[in-house]
Amino acid sequence: DAGVIQSPRHEVTEMGQEVTLRCKPISGHNSLFWYRQTMMRGLELLIYFNNNVPIDDSGMPEDRFSAKMPNASFSTLKIQPSEPRDSAVYFCASSSGLAGPRNTGELFFGEGSRLTVL
Amino acid sequence: GENVEQHPSTLSVQEGDSAVIKCTYSDSASNYFPWYKQELGKGPQLIIDIRSNVGEKKDQRIAVTLNKTAKHFSLHITETQPEDSAVYFCAASKEGSQGNLIFGKGTKLSVKP
Repeated sequence: DAGVIQSPRHEVTEMGQEVTLRCKPISGHNSLFWYRQTMMRGLELLIYFNNNVPIDDSGMPEDRFSAKMPNASFSTLKIQPSEPRDSAVYFCASSSGLAGPRNTGELFFGEGSRLTVL
Repeated sequence: GENVEQHPSTLSVQEGDSAVIKCTYSDSASNYFPWYKQELGKGPQLIIDIRSNVGEKKDQRIAVTLNKTAKHFSLHITETQPEDSAVYFCAASKEGSQGNLIFGKGTKLSVKP
C-alpha cells in the first residue's frame, strides 16, 4: 500500500502567489482530512470530507483558503493569495470511515507539504 | 468544544528509563483517546489508543491509562530506546465522529544513548 501521497513535499513562494497542495488518499478510504501544523498552534484540522463531500470547514482560517475533492482519489488545498503567516506544514490524512459506533477513527497521514511564504 | 492539554512539551530521558506523557481533556462526552508518534519529516502515526470503557491498555513497551473521572490520560513508555525519540501527540474525540479528533500540542521526547 502506497499510503497517503502528498505533493509537493516542499514549496517556497512569494507573498501574493497562489499555492496548490495535492493529496491522494489511500484507496478505499472514504474520509479525507487537511491539517496544518505549526510550532505555535500544533495540529489544526482545517477541513474534512466524507465520500467527497465537505463535512466541516470551520477550521479553514479565511476565505483565502479553499479545498476540493473532485473524486475519491484526489483532493486539493488552495491558498490564494498566500501570506507569510500561512507558512506551515500541511498534512493530508485519510480514514476508512467505517460507519457505526465501532469506528476506530484511525487517521493515516501523508508525509506533509512544507510551505514557506516569503 | 473539546480542549486537550498535553504535558510536558519536551522530555529527555536516558536510554532504558521510562517516559510518561500526560494529557487532560475538557469534554466529558469524549470517549476515544489515541496517541500518535511523529518522526522527523514524517506524518503522525497511530501507536496506541484507548476507549472510555477500559482504564488501561498495554502493547509491549507502551501503555496508556485513562481516568474518566479526572478527565486525564497518560502514555507510558518503558525501557526507552533511541528510536523512541520523536514527537508524541495525544488526542480525544467522540467515537464515530472522526472530524472532531482534537490533538494536544505534542511532546518532543529525546532518548539519550
